Amino acid sequence: DGGITQSPKYLFRKEGQNVTLSCEQNLNHDAMYWYRQDPGQGLRLIYYSQIVNDFQKGDIAEGYSVSREKKESFPLTVTSAQKNPTAFYLCASSIGFVNSPLHFGNGTRLTVT
Amino acid sequence: KQEVTQIPAALSVPEGENLVLNCSFTDSAIYNLQWFRQDPGKGLTSLLLIQSSQREQTSGRLNASLDKSSGRSTLYIAASQPGDSATYLCAVWGNTDKLIFGTGTRLQVFP
Repeated sequence: DGGITQSPKYLFRKEGQNVTLSCEQNLNHDAMYWYRQDPGQGLRLIYYSQIVNDFQKGDIAEGYSVSREKKESFPLTVTSAQKNPTAFYLCASSIGFVNSPLHFGNGTRLTVT
Repeated sequence: KQEVTQIPAALSVPEGENLVLNCSFTDSAIYNLQWFRQDPGKGLTSLLLIQSSQREQTSGRLNASLDKSSGRSTLYIAASQPGDSATYLCAVWGNTDKLIFGTGTRLQVFP
C-alpha cells in the first residue's frame, strides 16, 4: 500500500534536547511538507521541499531544521532553540507543487517537558 | 494576507440530515481550494480539490462548490452518517508557496 509513514506516533523529550521526527513516503511524490498543529489553530507550515536536495522555510521555521537527501524521506529536527515544541506534527506529500492534493501521514505527537 | 475562516466551529446533527459546511477566504487570487477530513489524533485525508477555474467537485455524497469572486466555498454532505463525524478543514493555495488552512468545523453525527 502506498502512503506516508511518520514515526514514532508519540515522542517524549526533555527540554534542551534535539529530536528528529521521521517521514517516509512511497508514493513517488516530488513535494513534501511539514506542518505543526496546535489546538484551536490552523495547520502552520514549517518547511517544504519541492524536489530532492532543495527545501524552503515556511511560516514558522525558527528552531527547526530539515534535510531532503532522498525523494522518499524528509526528516524534521526540532532543536533546543524551538521555544514551544510540544505539538502535533504532520508530514505531507504531493505529486507536484500547487495544483496537487496533499496526502498526509498520521502525525507524531511530541511532548517536551 | 490570506485568511481562511470556517463557520460554524462545531456542528451536531442527527443521522440522515443533509448539511453544509462553510469556508471563506479573504483573497480571491487562488489556484485551488482543498477540503480535508481529520479524525481525532490522525492525519488529514484529502476529500476534494477544486481548481480556481472550476465551480464544483463531487465525490460520492460530498459536493464542494467554489465562488472565487465572493471568497466562499461550501462542502455539502448528503444523508449524513455517524461515520462522517470528524473535523473538516478547508485550505486555499494562493499567491504564496503554501496552502493556508482554516481552523476547521468539528462535525458530530448522532444515530
